[in-house]
Amino acid sequence: AQRVTQPEKLLSVFKGAPVELKCNYSYSGSPELFWYVQYSRQRLQLLLRHISRESIKGFTADLNKGETSFHLKKPFAQEEDSAMYYCALRKNTNAGKSTFGDGTTLTVKP
Amino acid sequence: DVKVTQSSRYLVKRTGEKVFLECVQDMDHENMFWYRQDPGLGLRLIYFSYDVKMKEKGDIPEGYSVSREKKERFSLILESASTNQTSMYLCASSPRRFGADTQYFGPGTRLTVL
Repeated sequence: AQRVTQPEKLLSVFKGAPVELKCNYSYSGSPELFWYVQYSRQRLQLLLRHISRESIKGFTADLNKGETSFHLKKPFAQEEDSAMYYCALRKNTNAGKSTFGDGTTLTVKP
Repeated sequence: DVKVTQSSRYLVKRTGEKVFLECVQDMDHENMFWYRQDPGLGLRLIYFSYDVKMKEKGDIPEGYSVSREKKERFSLILESASTNQTSMYLCASSPRRFGADTQYFGPGTRLTVL
């Protein structure tokens, strides 16, 4: 069975500092990986997905199959980045269910 | 713009009551999901439906059932609510197309069982 691990429940950085939210996965096949974000009092929404290879709000994430990781990075954190972040994995054989990690709460301090 | 709505933002029920949580999406998505969101436990899938009248158990289906009679509506049923079902419940929908199956979430229902 697939599994997603986000080792940090809480992460705190200062504004302007680089930030990296870790995500490791276990899955024997070829997965699709996503990052979802939930800002305070807003609904959960997609931030980015690995197949798009795009930067959203300054965030990027690279799928590293060798290390089975999909870490989310931003070179200069902003206060508005403070939110809950979830990493998710979907099997490439099933356009449906995803497995979510436990989430990381990011706080960017002024 | 995809819209996923949930029938209540807050709900308070008593132990043993039957509880219905309703979710409606307006984008003709095939897939619909019910999750529980608990601090420290992340997002856990309760049930998944990939078509009308079709359902599949998620990771924590015990104590829950679902109904999908119409494509746009997915109901979560707690047959006999218990205090350990106090939680935030999130509904989501997605199209069943590879490369476009982003999940769109509702605002959530915070259920308290007394």
